[in-house]
Amino acid sequence: DVKVTQSSRYLVKRTGEKVFLECVQDMDHENMFWYRQDPGLGLRLIYFSYDVKMKEKGDIPEGYSVSREKKERFSLILESASTNQTSMYLCASSLAGGDQPQHFGDGTRLSIL
Amino acid sequence: GESVGLHLPTLSVQEGDNSIINCAYSNSASDYFIWYKQESGKGPQFIIDIRSNMDKRQGQRVTVLLNKTVKHLSLQIAATQPGDSAVYFCAEINAPPSGSARQLTFGSGTQLTVLP
Repeated sequence: DVKVTQSSRYLVKRTGEKVFLECVQDMDHENMFWYRQDPGLGLRLIYFSYDVKMKEKGDIPEGYSVSREKKERFSLILESASTNQTSMYLCASSLAGGDQPQHFGDGTRLSIL
Repeated sequence: GESVGLHLPTLSVQEGDNSIINCAYSNSASDYFIWYKQESGKGPQFIIDIRSNMDKRQGQRVTVLLNKTVKHLSLQIAATQPGDSAVYFCAEINAPPSGSARQLTFGSGTQLTVLP
């Protein structure tokens, strides 16, 4: 089975802090994704990566950046956390190609105070 | 923009009955669809997928039906069990501008509650 592991289940940070969310997958998947999930808004794509050191903006990239230095690891960075970034963050991975399901981690619930 | 939506936000069924969860999509160019299940406190879990060259696909206790004419997708769960209680999402693969990777667009989800 695919295993996508997010480093923290719960995280509390303060406004203005730089926040790192880490995600690791063990299935040698080429593609990795970061979403946020908010009530009434569903899952929204922040950034994705289809190869090491490659990244593309999703629908809501503002206030975020990402890093993919190794194939198995994809990091989401909140450069200067704000309260409107309080959310559930979900990482996913998939094989390359257009018709491949994404497999998700269990999420990080991030609160910005 | 294109969107994927669900007809009902909640669905309650008796244990042992069959469940049908519906989804409408608007992008006629979408050619790959996925159903996910999300239990409380967990990430979405892949259930079943279907490509647009198919009308029906079956898994273990689940069947997905695709009607391209009316752009409708449904998930049928046979003999619904308490463990099936969760939020169910449909997702479609977008066809983005050339040069970009294909992305999933998710519906807002249906909460399935299984009654004893």
